Amino acid sequence: AQSVAQPEDQVNVAEGNPLTVKCTYSVSGNPYLFWYVQYPNRGLQFLLKYITGDNLVKGSYGFEAEFNKSQTSFHLKKPSALVSDSALYFCAVRDITRNYGQNFVFGPGTRLSVLP
Amino acid sequence: ETGVTQSPTHLIKTRGQQVTLRCSSQSGHNTVSWYQQALGQGPQFIFQYYREEENGRGNFPPRFSGLQFPNYSSELNVNALELDDSALYLCASSSWWAGETPEQYFGPGTRLTVT
Repeated sequence: AQSVAQPEDQVNVAEGNPLTVKCTYSVSGNPYLFWYVQYPNRGLQFLLKYITGDNLVKGSYGFEAEFNKSQTSFHLKKPSALVSDSALYFCAVRDITRNYGQNFVFGPGTRLSVLP
Repeated sequence: ETGVTQSPTHLIKTRGQQVTLRCSSQSGHNTVSWYQQALGQGPQFIFQYYREEENGRGNFPPRFSGLQFPNYSSELNVNALELDDSALYLCASSSWWAGETPEQYFGPGTRLTVT
């Protein structure tokens, strides 16, 4: 079965410092990986995706993610954190165990707090 | 370009009642998925609709049902509400064609409270 793990419930980082939010995955076949961000009382906003190609994927708001096949990881990164980046971050993988559809399996989420 | 919209924003129901949640997909999108997000958890896939037919279902009982209309909008219906159904219900739309893996765009959600 497809699954996603986010090993850290909470990540704290000082404003201006680089941030990393970790994600590891377990899939059958090629992984299709996504990162989403959720602000309080809001839906999820798409940040970036990895389908194929370069292992470093660039996304919205200065975020990027590094795909590592040997470590089955897809960590989200940003060179310089902003207080406004404080939110809940979800890693997701496309579920290909079903014969149809494009549904995603989400991780449990990591709460990022950027301290001024 | 209009984003995904959902109604109502909040809803309070009593155990045993039925509820209908509504979603309008983003312009140009032909696929709608519904997710349940319990407090402190990631979204869980309920089902997906493509061309007005259910096109994949998660581990949810039959009392969770849905519809998709010709304009690609969608409804989620839940019968015989239980306390555990209290959650944020998210609708996501995408433009799915064979061989593609598009990102899904989410609405703001409907917060359902069952008492």
